[in-house]
Amino acid sequence: QSMLTQPPSVSGAPGQSITISCTGRSSNIGAGYDVHWYQQLPGTAPKLLIYNNINRPSGVPERFSGSKSGTSASLAITGLQAEDEADYYCQSYDNNMNVVFGGGTKVTVL
Amino acid sequence: QMQLVESGGGLVTPGGSLRLSCTVSGFTLSDYYMTWIRQIPGKGLEWVSYTGTTGAYTNYADSVKGRFTISRDNSKNSLYLQMSSLRGEDTAVYYCARLAVRSVTAPFDFWGHGILVTVSS
Repeated sequence: QSMLTQPPSVSGAPGQSITISCTGRSSNIGAGYDVHWYQQLPGTAPKLLIYNNINRPSGVPERFSGSKSGTSASLAITGLQAEDEADYYCQSYDNNMNVVFGGGTKVTVL
Repeated sequence: QMQLVESGGGLVTPGGSLRLSCTVSGFTLSDYYMTWIRQIPGKGLEWVSYTGTTGAYTNYADSVKGRFTISRDNSKNSLYLQMSSLRGEDTAVYYCARLAVRSVTAPFDFWGHGILVTVSS
């Protein structure tokens, strides 16, 4: 059972915007720990997409953005493209310094 | 070019043991915390363990505590995961990954390609 809750799936048409939520608790995200996001394309290893809530690593398009508030975080994708079809995972920590992941969200481009 | 390459996976019977290795290149292993993460095929990511730069500091998920041991040999550019008392629920693809900075709350900025471990009789 994941400590962070994500919607199992989100879909959108090319060019549209979507948002993926990541809901935690007072013992993880709500305790002030940063949230990171990963993109996993089919058959590949996960790739860091957003770090420390809002930052994009070099090479990640600006259409990906992150935010955090209270016990939740969100990943937004604007101008959805076919290549964005993938699984997305949020990740944070708990008060025992254990790593916690969300269950993952499958993004489908219609 | 940075690379992390896992090896040592395969089929093992329940109760058995296996040691995974992660050999890195393109960066100095001793400068980074490292972690193991696993993924049951078709399912989500599950953190397994992480270690500090020297191996003296480690932490484990409750699901593997007491059965798995993470270690490293910086002189060999290698990270290890010794797995014992293996169960069917340990069947997964195991990834090694690098933490971006020397902090346990750092993001995982580079990942290996993963190695499949199958626990079955």
